[in-house]
Amino acid sequence: DAMVIQNPRYQVTQFGKPVTLSCSQTLNHNVMYWYQQKSSQAPKLLFHYYDKDFNNEADTPDNFQSRRPNTSFCFLDIRSPGLGDAAMYLCATSREGGSNQPQHFGDGTRLSIL
Amino acid sequence: GDSVTQMEGPVTLSEEAFLTINCTYTATGYPSLFWYVQYPGEGLQLLLKATKADDKGSNKGFEATYRKETTSFHLEKGSVQVSDSAVYFCALSDQGAQKLVFGQGTRLTINP
Repeated sequence: DAMVIQNPRYQVTQFGKPVTLSCSQTLNHNVMYWYQQKSSQAPKLLFHYYDKDFNNEADTPDNFQSRRPNTSFCFLDIRSPGLGDAAMYLCATSREGGSNQPQHFGDGTRLSIL
Repeated sequence: GDSVTQMEGPVTLSEEAFLTINCTYTATGYPSLFWYVQYPGEGLQLLLKATKADDKGSNKGFEATYRKETTSFHLEKGSVQVSDSAVYFCALSDQGAQKLVFGQGTRLTINP
């Protein structure tokens, strides 16, 4: 089945040690999104790519960066994770960026910081 | 700016009860409206959507009608099942936008 795949499902890193989360999609969608979701909260958009165009949310910390080397893959890099960055990170895609386009989510990567 | 407000949870019902989860929105344009469901340990799944006023979205026995006059998109189901236990998010995407604005989520628990 076509889908959005996030690896790993669980990631543990040390305080201040860089970590990369990955997302791949077989939907051939143009738009890819990264969200941060903390416990019992709604997902918070960090940034998104429309094709190769990167769009950062105004309140996304500089500590978070992203790469999209091709249509299928997108990475979230956290340069120096702090305890407050422990969360579920969700990747999503949509075919185009129009308002009526639903987003398709992966199952997320739960990040723990030691 | 755009915003979505959902009824606060958690909501606990018995199996076969009628469900309503209220959702109201504020938007500058003519948004599309969505309900997403999140089961424990999983990502969000699209449950239903409506793209213009008076549209009714439906899926798996759930329904929601886009009410422009009351800026609402309430989720309903006539007879809930234990398997419907999850967190439900109402969301909007405004015209020309490439992102979703989520409500805070409503945790639903169905007891047998």
